[in-house]
This record gives sequence, C-alpha cells and structure tokens, in this order.
Amino acid sequence: EDQVTQSPEALRLQEGESSSLNCSYTVSGLRGLFWYRQDPGKGPEFLFTLYSAGEEKEKERLKATLTKKESFLHITAPKPEDSATYLCAVQADDYKLSFGAGTTVTVRA
Amino acid sequence: EPEVTQTPSHQVTQMGQEVILRCVPISNHLYFYWYRQILGQKVEFLVSFYNNEISEKSEIFDDQFSVERPDGSNFTLKIRSTKLEDSAMYFCASSGAGGSQPQHFGDGTRLSIL
Repeated sequence: EDQVTQSPEALRLQEGESSSLNCSYTVSGLRGLFWYRQDPGKGPEFLFTLYSAGEEKEKERLKATLTKKESFLHITAPKPEDSATYLCAVQADDYKLSFGAGTTVTVRA
Repeated sequence: EPEVTQTPSHQVTQMGQEVILRCVPISNHLYFYWYRQILGQKVEFLVSFYNNEISEKSEIFDDQFSVERPDGSNFTLKIRSTKLEDSAMYFCASSGAGGSQPQHFGDGTRLSIL
C-alpha cells in the first residue's frame, strides 16, 4: 500500500523566513509526485508534478525537489499569502492519488 | 483558466436518504475522479472513471456508491442510503489525456448527514 508522510504537521514562519516541508513516500512504481496547496474550505490547488529523482520545479517563492524516497517543498522569503496547507500526493500505476496529511503553514507579517 | 465546478457547495441530508453530488469537469479532460476528506483527516481516493466506466475504486466505494456521466459535461456521485459516517467534503477532480497529467480539483461539496 502506498504511504505518504508529511512533516512537520504545522509550521509557523515570520514573513521572509525561508523553510522547507518534507514529504517521504513509499510506493511501488512511482508515476508522479504532486504538490497541492489547500486553503480553508477549498479544494486542493495544483502546484507541481515531479516525475523522477533529481527533478526540480519552481513557481514564484516555491521550489519542489524529488529524491527516490522523499520530496521537499522549499518556501523562500514567504509572505502572509503563502499561508495554507500544503499537500503531497503520489501516483502509482493505478493513477489514483494517495495523499499525505499535509503541512499547515502560517506566515506572520 | 478552466476549472472544475461542483454543486451544491453544502448538502444536508437525513440518514438513509439518497444524495447526488454533481460536478462539471474541465471540458477537454478525459479522466474523472471522486475523493473525500473527513474533517481533520487525509484526502482519500474513492473512484476513477474513464471512457464511460469505472477504472479503479477504493474499499470505501461500496455498493451504496455509484458514479455516472449522464451527458457530455456532468459527472455525478450518488450515495444511495446515507450513513452518519458519510459526512465529509467530497471533491471531484479531472485530468487530461495521459494518466500522469495533474488532477485538478473542484472546491468540493460539504455533505452533512443528520
């Protein structure tokens, strides 16, 4: 069974204080690792797909990286609008997404 | 930007009643999914649908659940006889051609069973 573990559960940052979120996974036959952002009362919003170890993707203040066992989401100089829950999900041969529990990031001005 | 839309945003139903949750996926997408999120828990896969048939379903998706694509735009999830434990956020998602395309989610229907 696919397993996805995210840490930490919660992260409180000062505006401008860079940090990283971790997603460790166990999956048979990884097709892709996905990062989503979820705001309260909303659906997951797609951020990145990573397909193979060594791959990196960037979008504004976010950068995602992938190894064979884990992925990191780096937040550089965060702003209050980056406050959200960040979800990691893996996709195997059956195409369904298996989600982690998420990291809730709060950025204070 | 195209988006997945879900209706209603909130549904309150008596236990034992049938409920239908509706979704309009992104228009050129071919793969459709339902997920649910019980309050405080992970997002869980329910079912995937492609080429007018179920391609994968989880253990949660038992005989009380069914999905349908009644026309070219809608995708529905029916729960035949609701239970208290069915209370959750239900998310519809769709993705384009090629199984590893990102899945795009709607904002969900909050289902409350009384």
